[in-house]
Formats: sequence, structure tokens, C-alpha cells
Amino acid sequence: AQKVTQAQTEISVVEKEDVTLDCVYETRDTTYYLFWYKQPPSGELVFLIRRNSFDEQNEISGRYSWNFQKSTSSFNFTITASQVVDSAVYFCALSEYGGATNKLIFGTGTLLAVQP
Amino acid sequence: DVKVTQSSRYLVKRTGEKVFLECVQDMDHENMFWYRQDPGLGLRLIYFSYDVKMKEKGDIPEGYSVSREKKERFSLILESASTNQTSMYLCASTKQGPTEAFFGQGTRLTVV
Repeated sequence: AQKVTQAQTEISVVEKEDVTLDCVYETRDTTYYLFWYKQPPSGELVFLIRRNSFDEQNEISGRYSWNFQKSTSSFNFTITASQVVDSAVYFCALSEYGGATNKLIFGTGTLLAVQP
Repeated sequence: DVKVTQSSRYLVKRTGEKVFLECVQDMDHENMFWYRQDPGLGLRLIYFSYDVKMKEKGDIPEGYSVSREKKERFSLILESASTNQTSMYLCASTKQGPTEAFFGQGTRLTVV
């Protein structure tokens, strides 16, 4: 069965610190997709990134970077030089390739608080 | 600007009432989803639909039903609301395949 674990419930950092959010997943499929979403205080989830199971290259987008390691079933998210605007709940999600449907399973989320 | 719109931001209902939560998307997406979000539990899938009149149970369908009569609209129905259904409800939609999901702003439902 699919499962996504985000063991860190809350993280608090001071502005300009680097922070890594952990995500560990379980799936029996060989083809699957992993996602990160951000939920700011306003409530609406915002898509950040999608990776497929065949692409283990790390990705960097500005201050954000993602480390995908199939060997440890992990898809971790690092924010470099954190800012107050990064304060949000971050969700990791998993989707198995099921043809037409895209059943997204989410982790429990990590609340990141960036203090000025 | 692409949009998923949920009919209410806040809702207060009485125990035993029948409750309708409406969701509309303007992106011609095939897939639509209903999740509930509770502290410490993340987002849990209630139901999803991959086509008009088609639906599948998610992980926690008990006490809920859904309706999708038109492609753009997906309704979540609480047949007889109970206090343990007090929660934040999130609607999402995607194109066919494992693409990014677009979310509505959420409906915070309180059952008293």
C-alpha cells in the first residue's frame, strides 16, 4: 500500500538558516510520482515540484532544492537561507501511475516557522 | 487564471443535517478529489472522480457520498452530519495522468 511519512511535525528556524524537510515513502509500484506542496496561512495548497521514479537527478529552483534517493525511498526538500515568507505547512505526496486516475496520497505535513 | 472554487469558506451546520459542499473547476480537468485536513493527520482522501458520473472511494469514505453530474462540478455530501465531521475540506482537480493538482481555498465546516 502507498504511504508517505513526514516525521517532522514542526520545525522552527531563524531567518537565513538552511532547513531540510524529510519525506519517506512506501510503494510497491516501479512507476510513481512524488510531489511537494506548500500551504501558506491563507490555506490554499500550492504545487512546488513533481518527480517521477525514473529521474533521480536532484533539482534546484532558486533557494529550493530537492534530493530524491530511491535507495532510501526518500524525497527531501531543502530551503537555503530561509525567509519569513517560507513559513507554511509543507506536504509531500505520492501518486502511483494508474493510467487515467491520479490518486494522490499525502503525508501529515511539516509546519515550518521561520522567525525573523 | 486557473481556478478551483469551493462554494463556502466557512460553514456551520447542526448534527443530523444534510450538508452539501460544492466544488467547481474551470480547467476542463478529468479528475477531481475531496480531502479532509485535520491537525496531525494531514490530508486524507475521501472520494475521487475520474470522469462524469464516475467515482471511487478514497481512504475515509464512511459518512460521505459524492456527485459528479457535470465535468466541472464535484459535490461532497454529508448525509447526516456528525460532530466528528468537523474539519477543513479541500477540493482538488488534475488533468488525466499524474500531473499537479490544483486546490480550492478550502471549506472549514463546523458541526454543532
